[in-house]
Amino acid sequence: ETGVTQSPTHLIKTRGQQVTLRCSSQSGHNTVSWYQQALGQGPQFIFQYYREEENGRGNFPPRFSGLQFPNYSSELNVNALELDDSALYLCASSLSGGHQETQYFGPGTRLLVL
Amino acid sequence: KQEVTQIPAALSVPEGENLVLNCSFTDSAIYNLQWFRQDPGKGLTSLLLIQSSQREQTSGRLNASLDKSSGRSTLYIAASQPGDSATYLCAVGLGDYKLSFGAGTTVTVRA
Repeated sequence: ETGVTQSPTHLIKTRGQQVTLRCSSQSGHNTVSWYQQALGQGPQFIFQYYREEENGRGNFPPRFSGLQFPNYSSELNVNALELDDSALYLCASSLSGGHQETQYFGPGTRLLVL
Repeated sequence: KQEVTQIPAALSVPEGENLVLNCSFTDSAIYNLQWFRQDPGKGLTSLLLIQSSQREQTSGRLNASLDKSSGRSTLYIAASQPGDSATYLCAVGLGDYKLSFGAGTTVTVRA
């Protein structure tokens, strides 16, 4: 069974640029959630995708957008990067997004915005 | 708005001592509570998931309890080892499927 994978592992961008982060869900999982974790804080929910549709969104501006593909992999896109976007971005997958399910997290992408 | 708090923020214990980590949440309308471990710069590893109808879950040296009415959960780690050094995060599962996390407790187990 393949776990959740994310790419790239690290990324450096400058203010105003755009970035795309990628996530492959665990085999058999059709739900992917994205979280932002600033240094020293707990992860904050960005949004969730279930079967290619957005299924909930946290308190993040529209410049944070996402996609889920037919194979249930997912992308997180951030436009007009700001310094405060520097963080560890985590994706998590679960079997079908049900409340009784464990969410499995990937290793994260560390984004630094200069 | 659900607030999740973990106290203390950091903890240092000698090897062999039992660890007690606390998590509190403000809204008892949760679906579940999950404990995670995070090593420096890494992703999260799920340790235990407690459904809202359950009182506790156990896995090896780990035991987690849940008291929804008082908004509290406790993670016990028996006979701590240096390999247990990490940050431990609790997260509550909400009706809109998202997890709301605490800031974590960073544990150091001294050899």
